[in-house]
Amino acid sequence: DAGVIQSPRHEVTEMGQEVTLRCKPISGHDYLFWYRQTMMRGLELLIYFNNNVPIDDSGMPEDRFSAKMPNASFSTLKIQPSEPRDSAVYFCASSRDRGSQPQHFGDGTRLSIL
Amino acid sequence: AQTVTQSQPEMSVQEAETVTLSCTYDTSENNYYLFWYKQPPSRQMILVIRQEAYKQQNATENRFSVNFQKAAKSFSLKISDSQLGDTAMYFCAFTSRAGGTSYGKLTFGQGTILTVHP
Repeated sequence: DAGVIQSPRHEVTEMGQEVTLRCKPISGHDYLFWYRQTMMRGLELLIYFNNNVPIDDSGMPEDRFSAKMPNASFSTLKIQPSEPRDSAVYFCASSRDRGSQPQHFGDGTRLSIL
Repeated sequence: AQTVTQSQPEMSVQEAETVTLSCTYDTSENNYYLFWYKQPPSRQMILVIRQEAYKQQNATENRFSVNFQKAAKSFSLKISDSQLGDTAMYFCAFTSRAGGTSYGKLTFGQGTILTVHP
């Protein structure tokens, strides 16, 4: 089976621009998670979906962040407008179950906002 | 809210030796899962091992094993016969089995950087 696929792998853009990160979960996984990793705050859960429906978005830092899952094989995380403090590695993960089964992570997107 | 603490920011070990990484957690729940993830320089997050809180037997995966002490809320990872490829950041993580939206949310520790020397 193919793993979780994220794109792009790296993104460099200027402050104020819109950024869209993409994720394709593992087929058959009903749960999809978005995480952010920074040196200061470590790994933080931003939002997760079950069967394409957002369940908990309490980790989304601000209204500038939004996430969608239009179908079972695709999700996006959008930042508009972007700011330098949004620079981080963003991971997408999926799992068959939200507790007993482990989450499988993509390779992450390294985002740099100049 | 649950917290996970890894008190060792960095560890080092000689190739072929054994090393233990510490993790403690705080929860009021009785039923949960614990994980160790490995993040090598390539930045992938790779599952190393999983422990179910209701199982007393410690989980093992080849050279990796855990010492799960539920009463002490401790979950250490032992790596035997360390290899150069084990060099990575290791994260301890917790997820609740309680109902509601918290079920399945992973809470991570700060990580321990492990370096294996030849």
